[in-house]
Amino acid sequence: SQELEQSPQSLIVQEGKNLTINCTSSKTLYGLYWYKQKYGEGLIFLMMLQKGGEEKSHEKITAKLDEKKQQSSLHITASQPSHAGIYLCGADGRTDKLIFGTGTRLQVFP
Amino acid sequence: NAGVTQTPKFQVLKTGQSMTLQCAQDMNHNSMYWYRQDPGMGLRLIYYSASEGTTDKGEVPNGYNVSRLNKREFSLRLESAAPSQTSVYFCASSVWGSGELFFGEGSRLTVL
Repeated sequence: SQELEQSPQSLIVQEGKNLTINCTSSKTLYGLYWYKQKYGEGLIFLMMLQKGGEEKSHEKITAKLDEKKQQSSLHITASQPSHAGIYLCGADGRTDKLIFGTGTRLQVFP
Repeated sequence: NAGVTQTPKFQVLKTGQSMTLQCAQDMNHNSMYWYRQDPGMGLRLIYYSASEGTTDKGEVPNGYNVSRLNKREFSLRLESAAPSQTSVYFCASSVWGSGELFFGEGSRLTVL
């Protein structure tokens, strides 16, 4: 079965700093999804990547899928307190069920 | 719009008791999912339903049963609760195959 490993598990950054979260799959990724979870709430969809080398951006968040389609990175530029939360990558491995990584907890302090 | 609604939001059970978590979505989605979230474990898929009338096991189905009552509703039942089932449970729905899931706010279950 496919497994997703995220690193780091936890990240504390000062407001204004850039940061990167990585997601590595044990198998080829056919669809890679990034979600954000605010503490105590459900997940919110951020973006989807499907093609090797694909890159997408939304506001100050950029996600990339590598050419081999086994790793994705999420980069936040000039972090803000509103970016705090748990970031999870998800993959569907050409099935209709989505599995998730273990998550990265981000804290942003002033 | 309500989106995905889960009930109850909080529940405390004793070992061996049974209960059902209810989930309803008003977005006309085909697929529905139940996940559990534990500290340091991310989200793990319990069961999912790709369409009305079908259900399939996910990563951690043992100790749970599900019912896809109709297109809107997907319930999760614990027949004999165990402390290991203490967790936060999330229901989600999506258009089949889209990967964009819409989540409920979660149900926090404690089994003593």
